Amino acid sequence: QKEVEQDPGPLSVPEGAIVSLNCTYSNSAFQYFMWYRQYSRKGPELLMYTYSSGNKEDGRFTAQVDKSSKYISLFIRDSQPSDSATYLCAMGPGANSKLTFGKGITLSVRP
Amino acid sequence: SAVISQKPSRDICQRGTSLTIQCQVDSQVTMMFWYRQQPGQSLTLIATANQGSEATYESGFVIDKFPISRPNLTFSTLTVSNMSPEDSSIYLCSVEGGDMNTEAFFGQGTRLTVV
Repeated sequence: QKEVEQDPGPLSVPEGAIVSLNCTYSNSAFQYFMWYRQYSRKGPELLMYTYSSGNKEDGRFTAQVDKSSKYISLFIRDSQPSDSATYLCAMGPGANSKLTFGKGITLSVRP
Repeated sequence: SAVISQKPSRDICQRGTSLTIQCQVDSQVTMMFWYRQQPGQSLTLIATANQGSEATYESGFVIDKFPISRPNLTFSTLTVSNMSPEDSSIYLCSVEGGDMNTEAFFGQGTRLTVV
């Protein structure tokens, strides 16, 4: 089993849809969970950051962590064409530690 | 968050040659990281570069193939040596930051094609 598994995609949704992106992991030591957005020909950009279990909301984005199930999610409400990008989950055990990334899922939001 | 400048942004190279990628950060950082991103694959850590010491390489990556320099706290280079088409990939420089030093920030990447 890989340390981090991410739904493979690609995913195509109409504008205004609610999008749910998910990752599972196997390493119980992971404490920090991140979602990155990567536009074509750009580096990954940190989108959401969560420590331990719980929810975090930022505008149209909500990050959710369930450590008991080893499952994290990113929800995008009222999706926009500008949300079209590749989304990568990442997680790590602590400060100055190596991050482990999911493969990424490509999202396309159709106008 | 740190601002990371990476160059070149892209290059097409002949097999057997070497390419050096530069990474400049706008603030002093202890650790810098080099990743490879192959199509359809997750980001793979190549090595961690600390100023004043040898880089630490991950399993599957060796110094002869990917020599790294870290001359000061704001700059690092990664060289891809004796390139083959299998080295075609995106190479990314990263630093850690945030309140707990657990968030990774990336440069825009170097898209390398080896022909």
